[in-house]
Amino acid sequence: GNSVTQMEGPVTLSEEAFLTINCTYTATGYPSLFWYVQYPGEGLQLLLKATKADDKGSNKGFEATYRKETTSFHLEKGSVQVSDSAVYFCASGSARQLTFGSGTQLTVLP
Amino acid sequence: DAEITQSPRHKITETGRQVTLACHQTWNHNNMFWYRQDLGHGLRLIHYSYGVQDTNKGEVSDGYSVSRSNTEDLPLTLESAASSQTSVYFCASSESKASETQYFGPGTRLLVL
Repeated sequence: GNSVTQMEGPVTLSEEAFLTINCTYTATGYPSLFWYVQYPGEGLQLLLKATKADDKGSNKGFEATYRKETTSFHLEKGSVQVSDSAVYFCASGSARQLTFGSGTQLTVLP
Repeated sequence: DAEITQSPRHKITETGRQVTLACHQTWNHNNMFWYRQDLGHGLRLIHYSYGVQDTNKGEVSDGYSVSRSNTEDLPLTLESAASSQTSVYFCASSESKASETQYFGPGTRLLVL
């Protein structure tokens, strides 16, 4: 079956630092790939997605590129803000279902 | 605006009691899902439905049931609550076979004493 492995946290950064959260997947076929974000006390919100190899998803300064050759979908942001503090989930999707990674807690300090 | 809501947002119950968590979406989505979120496990799928009268077991379905009598609602029932079912529960929906993008409700925090 499908699985998603993402960088374990927690991750603590200073404001304006560069962020990378690693995500790799195993799947049969070519799944869609997603990053979701969960702010404290809230549900998951879609941050970005990519549906085929070499696609780049982007939103709110975050980016991730679907790399088929390395089965990866790493999340990056050039300059994080305190408001980016949240839990980030990588997910792969196929046949209407999502498989989630365990989540990475990000804390950004002023 | 279309949305997905869950109720209650917080629930405390006792071991052995039956508990029902509500999920209601106004997007007219065919697909609905229930997950539980626990530290170190991410989100795990409990049950899902691809349409009215359709229900399917997920990865961690033991002790849970769902029913789908209309498009908008997928209530989750804990038949006899156990302490191991203390968790945060999320409902989600997605549009169709062609889309895997799921939209999540705000969650229900359940404590079983």
